Amino acid sequence: KQEVTQIPAALSVPEGENLVLNCSFTDSAIYNLQWFRQDPGKGLTSLLLIQSSQREQTSGRLNASLDKSSGRSTLYIAASQPGDSATYLCAVSRSSNTGKLIFGQGTTLQVKP
Amino acid sequence: GAGVSQSPSNKVTEKGKDVELRCDPISGHTALYWYRQRLGQGLEFLIYFQGNSAPDKSGLPSDRFSAERTGESVSTLTIQRTQQEDSAVYLCASSLVGASGEQYFGPGTRLTVT
Repeated sequence: KQEVTQIPAALSVPEGENLVLNCSFTDSAIYNLQWFRQDPGKGLTSLLLIQSSQREQTSGRLNASLDKSSGRSTLYIAASQPGDSATYLCAVSRSSNTGKLIFGQGTTLQVKP
Repeated sequence: GAGVSQSPSNKVTEKGKDVELRCDPISGHTALYWYRQRLGQGLEFLIYFQGNSAPDKSGLPSDRFSAERTGESVSTLTIQRTQQEDSAVYLCASSLVGASGEQYFGPGTRLTVT
């Protein structure tokens, strides 16, 4: 059974710091991995999608890496801003036959001005 | 363009009543998913539609839960004889190219069963 773990559960940093969020999964046979952010009381916003054949994806100040063999992904946020404060969720898809995503519990990030 | 929309945004119902939750996916997206998020817990997959068929219903928690989809458009999630443990935020997502695609989520429906 696929399990997704995110560490740390919560993180507080001063504005301007670079930071790394971690995601690990127990079954390396994934089809893709997606990072989301969730703001309180709102739905999820997709940040980055990494296919299993890819090693990393970049969007602006965000960079996500994938090491499928070790069951790990990291989300790197450069020059953090207060607007980055949110819960960040990692999710993996197992198969091309179903889009079922299995989510981690998330990392709640607070960036202090 | 318009994103995924869901209605109602909030629903309060009495235990034992039936509820219907609606999802309008992004136009042209062939795949549609339902998830739920109970308070303090992670997101749980419920069901996946490709077009109007459901290849994966493995996450539906009981036979009180059902869903249907009209073509590649609107989907309705129905919960019969609601129980307090059904209280959660129900999230819908769609993707353009089926199971391999990036999923885009709606704002969710917050269901409270009293």
